[in-house]
Amino acid sequence: DQQVKQNSPSLSVQEGRISILNCDYTNSMFDYFLWYKKYPAEGPTFLISISSIKDKNEDGRFTVFLNKSAKHLSLHIVPSQPGDSAVYFCAASPSSGTYKYIFGTGTRLKVLA
Amino acid sequence: DVKVTQSSRYLVKRTGEKVFLECVQDMDHENMFWYRQDPGLGLRLIYFSYDVKMKEKGDIPEGYSVSREKKERFSLILESASTNQTSMYLCASSLSSRVGGYTFGSGTRLTVV
Repeated sequence: DQQVKQNSPSLSVQEGRISILNCDYTNSMFDYFLWYKKYPAEGPTFLISISSIKDKNEDGRFTVFLNKSAKHLSLHIVPSQPGDSAVYFCAASPSSGTYKYIFGTGTRLKVLA
Repeated sequence: DVKVTQSSRYLVKRTGEKVFLECVQDMDHENMFWYRQDPGLGLRLIYFSYDVKMKEKGDIPEGYSVSREKKERFSLILESASTNQTSMYLCASSLSSRVGGYTFGSGTRLTVV
């Protein structure tokens, strides 16, 4: 049972345009969310986070939106750059316990020059 | 910078061999994790540890064990390697809080032949 879902395995976007990556979750106990970026043959690197007390968090070109009622979050990258081409994972953590994260299956973003 | 070091980038082992994957972190993090990454399945948690000599099973512990004798080191052991354990293995560490999530190592690509 996949508690964190990324339904788009891949996405292609033109350089300079907006990339929108989506993530859905099923567990209402999740209250902290992360996005990671992963290049081939490297470990994932932390990108941005959001707590359920917020509905938006921005860091430079990256913005994460959280819609708690829909159990949906999205990552916006504006403007997209070729160096953003990577696999993006969303991850969710419940409000209690040992801060274990559940990861989605990932979306491969390709930014076309 | 927080550093998580995995001892091998690439490993090739034979079916039935006992395999040790080593992970060391240098930031005094309490929590350490082992994930495997497979295409279409995302990152799946194998085992994690929130203290020295403490371990808990993740979502897919079968065929694996772990050891944490020192705070900075977390080892993953494949008792008898099988071809379905061919995967990318990722070690991660974190503080006992959720800020910033995990720091991952670069991964070990294990091939079992």
